[in-house]
Amino acid sequence: DQQVKQNSPSLSVQEGRISILNCDYTNSMFDYFLWYKKYPAEGPTFLISISSIKDKNEDGRFTVFLNKSAKHLSLHIVPSQPGDSAVYFCAARGDFGNEKLTFGTGTRLTIIP
Amino acid sequence: KAGVTQTPRYLIKTRGQQVTLSCSPISGHRSVSWYQQTPGQGLQFLFEYFSETQRNKGNFPGRFSGRQFSNSRSEMNVSTLELGDSALYLCASSLATMRTDTQYFGPGTRLTVL
Repeated sequence: DQQVKQNSPSLSVQEGRISILNCDYTNSMFDYFLWYKKYPAEGPTFLISISSIKDKNEDGRFTVFLNKSAKHLSLHIVPSQPGDSAVYFCAARGDFGNEKLTFGTGTRLTIIP
Repeated sequence: KAGVTQTPRYLIKTRGQQVTLSCSPISGHRSVSWYQQTPGQGLQFLFEYFSETQRNKGNFPGRFSGRQFSNSRSEMNVSTLELGDSALYLCASSLATMRTDTQYFGPGTRLTVL
């Protein structure tokens, strides 16, 4: 039962353009969402997060949008840079008793110079 | 400050054997979590330890176990290995709780079961 889904296994974007990575979830008890980036041979690195009380959070070139009614979140990267090429994981967690991070299967982003 | 370290980085075992993986958290971090990453499955939560006690547990069989020592270092053990246990095992540490604190991941241990 995949409670966090990333339906696009891969995405290619031209350098300088916007990259949009999508994530859907099914568990309405999730109240905190995170994005992690992973390079080969390294562990995932925290990128940005958003609480369910917000619908948008920005950090430099990275913005995460949350649509609770649709149970959907997205990560926007503007402008995309070659160093952004990596696998991006969406993750979610809930309140006490449901604290563990539930990850999606990842989206491999390739930035084309 | 040194990051999360995991040893060994690579391991090859045969079916039926057991294996122990080690994780040293960031200095000062008291929560250690373990994840299994397999192709097509993403990262799946195994368990979390805090102050030498298992605080959260995922949906894995009892062959998967762990422990945490007084210095917050953690070990994960898998007994009676199966082919399906081949995966990247990731350890993550956080200050006190995975609920509110950012988790920092180690590079992982790549386990291959033949």
